[in-house]
Amino acid sequence: AQSVAQPEDQVNVAEGNPLTVKCTYSVSGNPYLFWYVQYPNRGLQFLLKYITGDNLVKGSYGFEAEFNKSQTSFHLKKPSALVSDSALYFCAVTPGYSSASKIIFGSGTRLSIRP
Amino acid sequence: SAVISQKPSRDICQRGTSLTIQCQVDSQVTMMFWYRQQPGQSLTLIATANQGSEATYESGFVIDKFPISRPNLTFSTLTVSNMSPEDSSIYLCSVGDRVTLGVQYFGPGTRLTVL
Repeated sequence: AQSVAQPEDQVNVAEGNPLTVKCTYSVSGNPYLFWYVQYPNRGLQFLLKYITGDNLVKGSYGFEAEFNKSQTSFHLKKPSALVSDSALYFCAVTPGYSSASKIIFGSGTRLSIRP
Repeated sequence: SAVISQKPSRDICQRGTSLTIQCQVDSQVTMMFWYRQQPGQSLTLIATANQGSEATYESGFVIDKFPISRPNLTFSTLTVSNMSPEDSSIYLCSVGDRVTLGVQYFGPGTRLTVL
């Protein structure tokens, strides 16, 4: 079965420190991988995606993610956290260029940045 | 990216009634999706709505309970029928297709409370 795992329900980081939000996946073939962010009382916003090419992808708000095929991981990173980064983050995957383009979402990780 | 609006943004309904949620997109899109999300939790796909065909429902969701219309490429509705308190949730629509390479863009959500 295809799945996405976010092992941490919550990540707490001090402002200015680097942050990592972890994601691993189990999908056959060559998956497309995504990160979304959800601020309180808002819909999900697309942050970045990996389809092919360079394993390090850069996205919105200074975030980046590293695709590691051998570890089936796609961790989200940022060199220096901001208080405004506090939100709920979802990792997601689609099983390649499928006709349905159905996305499988992880359980979410709440990121809390303290001043 | 597509801009998506939803109506209503929130509602409080009585048990046994029905509510229709509207989703409007500012551009023509092939695929629209309807999700349910408990606050702070992950997203559960209800159905995929393609223009000109019947919606495709995920396991655990049926057309009688969640009828969907997709009259054109910019609009869709989801009805939550014969509501019970267990239907209290956030309902999100999204759009995405091969043009967006799997990226989905989300509306702001409709927060439904059933008393």
